Amino acid sequence: GAGVSQSPRYKVAKRGQDVALRCDPISGHVSLFWYQQALGQGPEFLTYFQNEAQLDKSGLPSDRFFAERPEGSVSTLKIQRTQQEDSAVYLCASSVGAGGLEQYFGPGTRLTVT
Amino acid sequence: GESVGLHLPTLSVQEGDNSIINCAYSNSASDYFIWYKQESGKGPQFIIDIRSNMDKRQGQRVTVLLNKTVKHLSLQIAATQPGDSAVYFCAEMEFGGADGLTFGKGTHLIIQP
Repeated sequence: GAGVSQSPRYKVAKRGQDVALRCDPISGHVSLFWYQQALGQGPEFLTYFQNEAQLDKSGLPSDRFFAERPEGSVSTLKIQRTQQEDSAVYLCASSVGAGGLEQYFGPGTRLTVT
Repeated sequence: GESVGLHLPTLSVQEGDNSIINCAYSNSASDYFIWYKQESGKGPQFIIDIRSNMDKRQGQRVTVLLNKTVKHLSLQIAATQPGDSAVYFCAEMEFGGADGLTFGKGTHLIIQP
């Protein structure tokens, strides 16, 4: 079956631009997670949705980061006024139930801010 | 703060040998652990998970061992193949705590022909 998909796969933005990253989770998966992965590091948690409700956004690094999942399926991570330190791979994961067991990841979006 | 870490950044093994990748964690309240495999340019791929009420779980060619006494997790890969070359991450979660997984830095497994 189809896995988690993300688009675009690569994004280059000039410093100060806004970007929007899309995640299509596995159909029917209740939970959706966003992670940020710096080069050579493990992913770091950003935010968690259970259906359309954003239950945890404690990992978002600043108020320039915003995520939504309005209909409980597709999610968008938006970064306003991008900075060079935002350059990273942004990963989306979904799991079938609540709580985050067995999270399946998408391929990620590599964001480069110049 | 509490974190999950790995003992070795790089592990080199001969094709056909068994591989053992280790992970130390510091959060004694962790309830759930996962091993992921990540190939270059791809997202982490789920390998196997284990809950804290277990000390061993087996999958296809892989075994995860959990030692809660010393807060140690390991991934054993039997008969290592070239396709096993990747970075391996352990991750942990505390039920009722933060909602996301906490990842270690990863071990790069290199398969020698």
